[in-house]
Amino acid sequence: DAKTTQPTSMDCAEGRAANLPCNHSTISGNEYVYWYRQIHSQGPQYIIHGLKNNETNEMASLIITEDRKSSTLILPHATLRDTAVYYCIVRVAVSGSARQLTFGSGTQLTVLP
Amino acid sequence: DAGVTQSPTHLIKTRGQQVTLRCSPKSGHDTVSWYQQALGQGPQFIFQYYEEEERQRGNFPDRFSGHQFPNYSSELNVNALLLGDSALYLCASSSPGLAGAYEQYFGPGTRLTVT
Repeated sequence: DAKTTQPTSMDCAEGRAANLPCNHSTISGNEYVYWYRQIHSQGPQYIIHGLKNNETNEMASLIITEDRKSSTLILPHATLRDTAVYYCIVRVAVSGSARQLTFGSGTQLTVLP
Repeated sequence: DAGVTQSPTHLIKTRGQQVTLRCSPKSGHDTVSWYQQALGQGPQFIFQYYEEEERQRGNFPDRFSGHQFPNYSSELNVNALLLGDSALYLCASSSPGLAGAYEQYFGPGTRLTVT
């Protein structure tokens, strides 16, 4: 699985958009970009994933550059409950076995009132 | 619909002892993975069970073993506990087929303290 690089920490004002970057310059053509987050003392929570195109769901938007070497997770209107560690993970999508996730250190996002 | 459940919530053991942690996957899910998360670090993959067999294993010693039952629930066993085994142990489940490759559901974890 390709390695990812994320900033250690970021702050965001409540109600503003939070933009979390991730570099994955060695990504392969069949590898997806996944984002998970982990609120303190809870298990990680899936947010969104994408391959090439930009994706949006009820939680966030994922913007992937054309060369796929980096991506940005966007929380459009951050709330205090979005304070968490955000993990960017790159890996293939496999049916059946071999679904393990390789977590890095992630980005600690702190939403400020 | 209950999500992934784990028991116990917290556990305190002494060095050298053995421990068993339990996980019930989300309804309809057939694959269970276990992760260890030390304080201040991201989760580290231990192993994964699918069709009652260990399919993938991370860089963990044989002291860590597991089992998956016909109802897809799973156990994680750790023998000869070390102080360094103190961590949050997370269970994750995913659904059959390719859709399950995209999204994994994590339980709240079991906090193990070894003294």
